[in-house]
Amino acid sequence: HSALTQPASVSGSPGQSITISCTGTNSDVGGYNYVSWYQQHPGKAPKLIICEVNNRPSGVSDRFSGSKSGNTASLTISGLQAEDEADYYCISYTSTTTLYVFGTGTKVTV
Amino acid sequence: QVQLVESGGGVVQPGRSLRLSCGASGFTFTSYAMHWVRQAPGKGLEWVAVISYDGNNKYYADFVKGRFTLSRDNAKKTHYLQMDSLRPEDTALYYCARPRVAAGIDAFDVWGQGTMVIVSS
Repeated sequence: HSALTQPASVSGSPGQSITISCTGTNSDVGGYNYVSWYQQHPGKAPKLIICEVNNRPSGVSDRFSGSKSGNTASLTISGLQAEDEADYYCISYTSTTTLYVFGTGTKVTV
Repeated sequence: QVQLVESGGGVVQPGRSLRLSCGASGFTFTSYAMHWVRQAPGKGLEWVAVISYDGNNKYYADFVKGRFTLSRDNAKKTHYLQMDSLRPEDTALYYCARPRVAAGIDAFDVWGQGTMVIVSS
């Protein structure tokens, strides 16, 4: 099962908003509302920032928001801050024999 | 506090085996499915496998099926990833991860620090 497609890199200036896309198929992103997003700083374990497409876990900044349209999920970071510079990954549940599939990852530069 | 600690990584020759462990604390281990996720050096995340709370159901990514085997010991609050017939492409940092909720499909909100596996002759 192929990885979900994300842009390799996205950049923005402090205070701006950026959006990262995560494109899959009807078997994963388009078929289920089990898309989540993770932030990973260098040398650190991933951190959950969005679950079930658009839910923010407790403690996660409201500058992070998620959405989905068809086979594409999106993560928006508003009011970009230096600390947002990290790698971001989406993941979806899938109906294939591999239960979950990650996105290819996006490096965000502020 | 809620914590996962992986161990068992190391350097191994192609074709050989290794067993990773993930010890849990701070939550009711027996209620949660547990996952493994890996990350090759400089690469992205890959979901590897999941074992149900009772150990009766196990699912694997296609690229490890038939080579990796999950198990768990609920009394020890530990689950294991037995990796056989290792290949150089299995070289990665292996994380164990716990879903947010005890039942059903959910995102992973607790991660260990990872244990490094290097497959090389």
